[in-house]
Amino acid sequence: DGGITQSPKYLFRKEGQNVTLSCEQNLNHDAMYWYRQDPGQGLRLIYYSQIVNDFQKGDIAEGYSVSREKKESFPLTVTSAQKNPTAFYLCASTTGQGRAYNEQFFGPGTRLTVL
Amino acid sequence: QQQVKQSPQSLIVQKGGISIINCAYENTAFDYFPWYQQFPGKGPALLIAIRPDVSEKKEGRFTISFNKSAKQFSLHIMDSQPGDSATYFCAASANYGQNFVFGPGTRLSVLP
Repeated sequence: DGGITQSPKYLFRKEGQNVTLSCEQNLNHDAMYWYRQDPGQGLRLIYYSQIVNDFQKGDIAEGYSVSREKKESFPLTVTSAQKNPTAFYLCASTTGQGRAYNEQFFGPGTRLTVL
Repeated sequence: QQQVKQSPQSLIVQKGGISIINCAYENTAFDYFPWYQQFPGKGPALLIAIRPDVSEKKEGRFTISFNKSAKQFSLHIMDSQPGDSATYFCAASANYGQNFVFGPGTRLSVLP
């Protein structure tokens, strides 16, 4: 089945630690996205990538970093510089530029808790 | 100007009733308006979407109404069922679905 996988489902981090959230897609999509979801605030864009080896900051990129070395993978690192990282993190993908009316597919999410 | 406003924040409907969720936007460059359904602990899933060249789109019990001049669009769920209980997000994007802006969500509870 085609889709987006995220791992782990739950992640616990001590203050001062960096953690990396995995996102893999087998949809052959060019564009991938990371969102953060907090209660009552909807989805906020952290980073996005339209093509391999290229990515741009979203609205709340501070304290996060990404890489896009492969088309199917877009890992997100939550660094110790992110002051309030406890949230639900969602990865998504679309077919990419030049395509009409892209549906955005979401992964199942990773819930990160800082202890 | 990039915001999408959504109301109500929460909604309680009796089984068989009509659920209505409203969204409004400012950016006239938006050209794609999807609605997503999200169950607790899961990722959002596309429910239905509309382009600005039509005023209404219906898929089963779900209908989007779109008012371009008012820059508003709404989701109607007819014959609401307990299984529809979820959080619903409206969204908007420019450039044929590149970067999306999401509303804050509406938590719908359908009572049996």
